[in-house]
Amino acid sequence: AQKVTQAQTEISVVEKEDVTLDCVYETRDTTYYLFWYKQPPSGELVFLIRRNSFDEQNEISGRYSWNFQKSTSSFNFTITASQVVDSAVYFCAPHISNFGNEKLTFGTGTRLTIIP
Amino acid sequence: GAGVSQSPSNKVTEKGKDVELRCDPISGHTALYWYRQSLGQGLEFLIYFQGNSAPDKSGLPSDRFSAERTGGSVSTLTIQRTQQEDSAVYLCASSFGRSAYGYTFGSGTRLTVV
Repeated sequence: AQKVTQAQTEISVVEKEDVTLDCVYETRDTTYYLFWYKQPPSGELVFLIRRNSFDEQNEISGRYSWNFQKSTSSFNFTITASQVVDSAVYFCAPHISNFGNEKLTFGTGTRLTIIP
Repeated sequence: GAGVSQSPSNKVTEKGKDVELRCDPISGHTALYWYRQSLGQGLEFLIYFQGNSAPDKSGLPSDRFSAERTGGSVSTLTIQRTQQEDSAVYLCASSFGRSAYGYTFGSGTRLTVV
């Protein structure tokens, strides 16, 4: 069975600080995908990124960056120069493409609060 | 439609009553998922539909929960004899093909059982 751990339940940082959200997952598969979703106070889940296990190159999108380390089964998410609008709950979700498992398993989420 | 549509957005019901929650996925999306999110908690998988295949019901918490998907499009999640512990936000998502492409979520239905 796959499992995902987001050890940080809540994080608060002052605006403009950088913040990293941790995600560690368990899988015996060699082929899989990893996702991050954002859930702002409005409640709707917003897709942020999809990463496959073949590519360990880190990805940057504006103020967002992701560090994928296959050797340690981690897929951490960093926000640089945080803004109040970044306040939300962030979910890490692995998808295992083998063994007929066709659903994303979500972590418990990290509630990020950006203090103005 | 342009996005995943869920109705109603809010539902308050008395304990013991049946409720139906509706999800209208993005046109052309073959896969549809239901998740439940209790207050302050993560997302709990309930059920998954893919095309004409038999649904994956492995996440349904009890036999009071059922879901159907008509014509490969709209889905209805039914909870019979609701209990207070059923209070949660019920989220629907759809995807084009396998979920490795990621989901698009609806805004959810907030169910309150009193």
